[in-house]
Amino acid sequence: KQEVTQIPAALSVPEGENLVLNCSFTDSAIYNLQWFRQDPGKGLTSLLLIQSSQREQTSGRLNASLDKSSGRSTLYIAASQPGDSATYLCAVWGTGFQKLVFGTGTRLLVSP
Amino acid sequence: SAVISQKPSRDICQRGTSLTIQCQVDSQVTMMFWYRQQPGQSLTLIATANQGSEATYESGFVIDKFPISRPNLTFSTLTVSNMSPEDSSIYLCSVGNRDNTGELFFGEGSRLTVL
Repeated sequence: KQEVTQIPAALSVPEGENLVLNCSFTDSAIYNLQWFRQDPGKGLTSLLLIQSSQREQTSGRLNASLDKSSGRSTLYIAASQPGDSATYLCAVWGTGFQKLVFGTGTRLLVSP
Repeated sequence: SAVISQKPSRDICQRGTSLTIQCQVDSQVTMMFWYRQQPGQSLTLIATANQGSEATYESGFVIDKFPISRPNLTFSTLTVSNMSPEDSSIYLCSVGNRDNTGELFFGEGSRLTVL
């Protein structure tokens, strides 16, 4: 059974800092990994999708890496802004099961 | 990316009643899923909504409690039956990308509070 864990559970930083969110998964047989953002009481916004054959993906100030063999992914946020405050979720789509398994989430607060 | 509309966005329900949530997509999609997010928790898959056939439920979820319809490739409903306070959650509809990259997109969710 795939299990996805995110560390830290919560993070508070001042504006302008670069930060890294971590995601680990127990079964390396994955099809892809996806990072999402969720604002309070809202749905999920897809940030980045990394296929199993890729090592990283970038979108603006966001960079996500994938090390499938070690079961790890990181989301790097450069020059953080108060508008980045949200919960960040990673999720993996396994090759053996047709569903996305979600991590526990990291709640990020960026202070002005 | 697909545009997904969910109704209702929120509701307050009485114990023992049932509520149907609608999910409308602006394009035809093969994969459509229903997730639940309990307060302070991450997302858990309830079922995969299959067009023209019965939904595929995850362990711990049953059709009698969460009946799902998928009459076509752009629409699905999830009913939460005989609700109890433990059913208070955000229910989210999700669809797969048309180019089958495996990327999923989510609606805004339906926040249910059961009294």
